[in-house]
Amino acid sequence: AQRVTQPEKLLSVFKGAPVELKCNYSYSGSPELFWYVQYSRQRLQLLLRHISRESIKGFTADLNKGETSFHLKKPFAQEEDSAMYYCALLVGTGNNRKLIWGLGTSLAVNP
Amino acid sequence: DAGVIQSPRHEVTEMGQEVTLRCKPISGHNSLFWYRQTMMRGLELLIYFNNNVPIDDSGMPEDRFSAKMPNASFSTLKIQPSEPRDSAVYFCASKRGTHTDTQYFGPGTRLTVL
Repeated sequence: AQRVTQPEKLLSVFKGAPVELKCNYSYSGSPELFWYVQYSRQRLQLLLRHISRESIKGFTADLNKGETSFHLKKPFAQEEDSAMYYCALLVGTGNNRKLIWGLGTSLAVNP
Repeated sequence: DAGVIQSPRHEVTEMGQEVTLRCKPISGHNSLFWYRQTMMRGLELLIYFNNNVPIDDSGMPEDRFSAKMPNASFSTLKIQPSEPRDSAVYFCASKRGTHTDTQYFGPGTRLTVL
C-alpha cells in the first residue's frame, strides 16, 4: 500500500529549540519524498525535496530507507516557522505520477 | 506571474445547489491537479490532468463530482448536487512537464454547504 504517515497533528516548541516533524512512508518502489509548507494566509508551497539534498530556511530532511522515514529537522526553531507542514510521496511512473500526502503537522513555535 | 488563480475564493451555498469551482493554471504548465482539504482527511487528490486529459480520477468521491479541462488555461470542478459534507477547501495546483514534480498551488476555494 502507498501511504504517508505524519503521526503528530500538532507540535509545539519554544523559539530556539530543536524541532523534528516526523514522516514515515510505505511504498514498494523507489521513493521520492517532499515537504510542503503552508504559512498562515499563504499558499501551500514546496519546502524541500529529498533528491535535492538541500537545506531550506534551516530545515533539512534525510531519507532513511531502512526506517522508511523522511523526518524534517531544524536545530533552532524560529517563530516564523509556525505553519502547517505536509510530507508527500511521489508514486507512479511515466505520465502517471502523483503525490500521496500525509495529514499534515501543525507546528507552533512559541516565543 | 499571478500564479495559479482560483475563483471564487469563498462560496456559501445551500444543500442541493450546483457549485462550480474554477482554476487557471500557470501559463506553460501542462499538468493540473484538484485537491480537497479537510481537518479529518487532510489533503486528498481528487483528479489530475496531463495536457488537458484526465489521467487519474480515482479520488473523485462520487458521481456528484465532475471535472473538466477544456483547454490548457482553464479547468472546472463541479459538484451537483452539493451536500454539507462537501464543505472543505478545494485547491488547484499545476506543474510544468511530466518529469518535474514541484506543484504550484492556488489560494484555494473555501466551500460551505449549508
